[in-house]
Amino acid sequence: GAVVSQHPSWVICKSGTSVKIECRSLDFQATTMFWYRQFPKQSLMLMATSNEGSKATYEQGVEKDKFLINHASLTLSTLTVTSAHPEDSSFYICSLGGGPYEQYFGPGTRLTVT
Amino acid sequence: AQSVSQHNHHVILSEAASLELGCNYSYGGTVNLFWYVQYPGQHLQLLLKYFSGDPLVKGIKGFEAEFIKSKFSFNLRKPSVQWSDTAEYFCAVRAQNAGNMLTFGGGTRLMVKP
Repeated sequence: GAVVSQHPSWVICKSGTSVKIECRSLDFQATTMFWYRQFPKQSLMLMATSNEGSKATYEQGVEKDKFLINHASLTLSTLTVTSAHPEDSSFYICSLGGGPYEQYFGPGTRLTVT
Repeated sequence: AQSVSQHNHHVILSEAASLELGCNYSYGGTVNLFWYVQYPGQHLQLLLKYFSGDPLVKGIKGFEAEFIKSKFSFNLRKPSVQWSDTAEYFCAVRAQNAGNMLTFGGGTRLMVKP
């Protein structure tokens, strides 16, 4: 399967600041990437689908102005959490769509907002 | 929209015990079904998947799952668990025409006692 990396793996930021999380596909050109968040002891919740060269599609209840997604190339998608608050603290995971109908997951980024 | 439920949130077993984790989904159309595993501190990995054909699917590490269409179920089984199977297990469903988008169940945390 494809190799997916995320950077940073863990970030601590102050409330009100913005944080950018990168998701890279190391050996696969991904036209579609997915962003999930996972709260402690809970399942993954899809936040948005990131499409290369076009606007991301956000799931219901996810604020697109707060969680900015940019998928500028076939190997990189970024998620920016703007004006972060403590309730945004979570584990953010990206995945890319492989074939057929598979997803390859990154290792996740743990965001802690103080 | 489809939903996925995993009935067992926490399971504790002794080594060599048999395992069965339940997964039910709600969607009337054609689905693809997946089981993912997340070992402590690691990213999601695909255990097995069902697309079509034989409803009994064999995956890695001795796991298997059976798709029972009439029951909308895709239960995961392993005849004899090992301590190294301690992890969280997620069932996921992809509905027809949903592209690569997956809907995850709430997860089951398995602890195997040595």
